[in-house]
Amino acid sequence: KAGVTQTPRYLIKTRGQQVTLSCSPISGHRSVSWYQQTPGQGLQFLFEYFSETQRNKGNFPGRFSGRQFSNSRSEMNVSTLELGDSALYLCASSFLGHSYNEQFFGPGTRLTVL
Amino acid sequence: GNSVTQMEGPVTLSEEAFLTINCTYTATGYPSLFWYVQYPGEGLQLLLKATKADDKGSNKGFEATYRKETTSFHLEKGSVQVSDSAVYFCALREETSGSRLTFGEGTQLTVNP
Repeated sequence: KAGVTQTPRYLIKTRGQQVTLSCSPISGHRSVSWYQQTPGQGLQFLFEYFSETQRNKGNFPGRFSGRQFSNSRSEMNVSTLELGDSALYLCASSFLGHSYNEQFFGPGTRLTVL
Repeated sequence: GNSVTQMEGPVTLSEEAFLTINCTYTATGYPSLFWYVQYPGEGLQLLLKATKADDKGSNKGFEATYRKETTSFHLEKGSVQVSDSAVYFCALREETSGSRLTFGEGTQLTVNP
């Protein structure tokens, strides 16, 4: 069974631009969560989607948004990029998103904002 | 709110040494506890987990016991290998928070031959 895939793996943008990252969960998984990883703040939860609905949201500004499609693939978008948005963005999928369902992480997208 | 605190790193050990990475947590409910490992250039992999007090999670020689009385979930391994070099994250997940994980800061482990 294929794992969680994220595209692109690396991305370079400039301040003020916007970016869209994509995540394909493991086949059959319906919950997708997104995390931001930075050296200063560590791993922080962005949001979770289940059946095309945002079910949970972390403490990030409105510039960070996401969506989920009917095939469970998810995208996250960051508008008006800032230098501080440079990070590794990780996506994780689980079967139903219950607390007892194991989460599987993708390799991440490394975003650099210049 | 929930929080996880890990011992400060980095940790450098010689091969076959004993490893302990401390982890304590604060939670409002009854969380599940996890250790994840991240190898260079990769995402996170679940190493072990425990879902209730006194549970012991174990995998690949690593162990951690859910201690409710001390709100701790320390990671141990009796004899580390060079291949264990990675970053280790302690995390918790509340019953009511779905998939949301709260992570500790991470501990960089380097094992020298």
